[in-house]
Amino acid sequence: RKEVEQDPGPFNVPEGATVAFNCTYSNSASQSFFWYRQDCRKEPKLLMSVYSSGNEDGRFTAQLNRASQYISLLIRDSKLSDSATYLCVVIYNTDKLIFGTGTRLQVFP
Amino acid sequence: EPEVTQTPSHQVTQMGQEVILRCVPISNHLYFYWYRQILGQKVEFLVSFYNNEISEKSEIFDDQFSVERPDGSNFTLKIRSTKLEDSAMYFCASRGQLKPYEQYFGPGTRLTVT
Repeated sequence: RKEVEQDPGPFNVPEGATVAFNCTYSNSASQSFFWYRQDCRKEPKLLMSVYSSGNEDGRFTAQLNRASQYISLLIRDSKLSDSATYLCVVIYNTDKLIFGTGTRLQVFP
Repeated sequence: EPEVTQTPSHQVTQMGQEVILRCVPISNHLYFYWYRQILGQKVEFLVSFYNNEISEKSEIFDDQFSVERPDGSNFTLKIRSTKLEDSAMYFCASRGQLKPYEQYFGPGTRLTVT
């Protein structure tokens, strides 16, 4: 089983739509969780950390379900500029980042 | 806003040659990393470095790879004898102590081995 699994997509959504991505992780001892964003042929950029209580940053909401080993990212009111690959990232007991393969989002006008 | 920088942006080399990829981490950061991403695949951890020594390395980071912090600002990755399968994007990252799990990535060096 892969350490971090994501639906690769692509998700094609119109501007203004709400879209949700899911991610599962295999190691129940995982400690920290993040969503990164990666534009084509660019570096990953930290979008937000994910906390057990859930957290929101503007149009973005992240949720963590430790019992199901599941992380989600919700994007409301999608913009064209949201088009990118969204990477689910997990940390176990050291500080190396374990990446999923990413979910590609394409927002169209 | 401070950022991680990397040079060169693109390096083409022949199989068997040595390459050195260079990174300048964010100035007050103390923890440094190299990751790589083969085209179309996920980002993979290579090595972490703190206090002038390797903290952790992956299976990919075999004895063909080495890292060094030759001065107070640069952090380098050396591949001694490149193979075709080393072709990838190599990302350097750094982090500070206040937010221990937030790593900031450089723009990457695209390595092409022919």
